[in-house]
Amino acid sequence: GAVVSQHPSRVICKSGTSVKIECRSLDFQATTMFWYRQFPKQSLMLMATSNEGSKATYEQGVEKDKFLINHASLTLSTLTVTSAHPEDSSFYICSARVLAGGENTQYFGPGTRLTVL
Amino acid sequence: AQSVTQPDIHITVSEGASLELRCNYSYGATPYLFWYVQSPGQGLQLLLKYFSGDTLVQGIKGFEAEFKRSQSSFNLRKPSVHWSDAAEYFCAVGLANQAGTALIFGKGTTLSVSS
Repeated sequence: GAVVSQHPSRVICKSGTSVKIECRSLDFQATTMFWYRQFPKQSLMLMATSNEGSKATYEQGVEKDKFLINHASLTLSTLTVTSAHPEDSSFYICSARVLAGGENTQYFGPGTRLTVL
Repeated sequence: AQSVTQPDIHITVSEGASLELRCNYSYGATPYLFWYVQSPGQGLQLLLKYFSGDTLVQGIKGFEAEFKRSQSSFNLRKPSVHWSDAAEYFCAVGLANQAGTALIFGKGTTLSVSS
């Protein structure tokens, strides 16, 4: 159980275009999903918290107009990188939170490698 | 501010030898603690977690971790390492915020396994 998928796994785009990444919880409902960014050989940095049916909460320094997050259903959150630039190239990982018996556990997707040319 | 420290950037262990990866945290209350493993180009897989109760927790793949409040530590151990354990290991602290529980990650420890 607790499987999270991401699509696409890898995307290459031209500078100035927009890219949408999907994060799905396959066997559970997630009212809260998280988006992280990971640079090579680095740890994960939280970008934003996505709540179903409401606006995302962005971490300090993350441009909300550049990284659009939509959490339209209990199993799907999307991250759209708008007007992408080479510095946006990174590994983007989502997670979905499972609430059970007072516990909080995040299960992670396999990640999306974004390369902006 | 909350933080997680993994003092060892890179560790090499012989196959069959024991392993201990260190993790220290800074947090004002009792945290939720996690260990995740990441293979190259992959997402994170949950190894184990601690919320409350028994301070020695068992995880998948033969891993265990012990929460020591007095030392603010949550070290990961395995009695006998396999070559397939070579990966990046992240310790994380779970926090409470208005939107849910975000995770603060350590910088990770790269484990290499020699034959």
